[in-house]
Amino acid sequence: AQSVTQPDIHITVSEGASLELRCNYSYGATPYLFWYVQSPGQGLQLLLKYFSGDTLVQGIKGFEAEFKRSQSSFNLRKPSVHWSDAAEYFCAVGAGNQGGKLIFGQGTELSVKP
Amino acid sequence: DAGITQSPRYKITETGRQVTLMCHQTWSHSYMFWYRQDLGHGLRLIYYSAAADITDKGEVPDGYVVSRSKTENFPLTLESATRSQTSVYFCASHGTGGGGELFFGEGSRLTVL
Repeated sequence: AQSVTQPDIHITVSEGASLELRCNYSYGATPYLFWYVQSPGQGLQLLLKYFSGDTLVQGIKGFEAEFKRSQSSFNLRKPSVHWSDAAEYFCAVGAGNQGGKLIFGQGTELSVKP
Repeated sequence: DAGITQSPRYKITETGRQVTLMCHQTWSHSYMFWYRQDLGHGLRLIYYSAAADITDKGEVPDGYVVSRSKTENFPLTLESATRSQTSVYFCASHGTGGGGELFFGEGSRLTVL
C-alpha cells in the first residue's frame, strides 16, 4: 500500500538548535517527494521537492531534505531553527504523472522554545 | 488577485443540511483537488478533477459531490452533512507538466452540529 509515515507527531526544539523531521514512504513507482509547511490558520506552502538528480535538495527558508532510496526516507533538516519556523510540517509523495495526486503524512507539529 | 481562493472560510451548519464549499483558481490549472484535514490523519483526498467535466474519487469520497463545469471552479457539496464531516477542507490546483506541486487555498473550516 502507498503511504507516508511521519513518526514524530510533535517536536520541540530550542531556537538556534538544529532540526530534523523524519519522513518514510512506501510507494510502488519512482516517488516524487515534497515537504509542505502549514502555519496556523493558513494553507500549505511548498518548502521543497525532489524529482530526480542530486539527492540533497534545498528549499525555501533555509530548509533542506535528503532523499535516501535505500531507506525510503526523505528527512527534512534545518541547521538553526528560528521562532518563526513553528508550524506543522507535512511530507507527501506522488507519482508526478498523476496530475499532482499526493499522499500526505500525518504531519509533525514543531514548537520552538526561546 | 491571482491564486486560489476558497469560500466560505468558516461555516457552521446542522446535521442533514446541504453545504457547498467553493473553490476558484485564476491560473487556468487543469487539475484541481479537494482534501480534508483531520487531526491524526493529515490530509486525505476527497475528489479530484483533471479538467472541466472530468472528476474522480479520492480516498474518502463518501458523502461528498463535486462538479466542474468551468476550469476555474471546483465546488464541493455535502448533500446531507454529518458530524463526521466536521473538518478543515483544502482546495488545491496543479497545472499540466511539472512534477506534481500543488498550490493550496487557505482552507474552509466546517463545523457540523
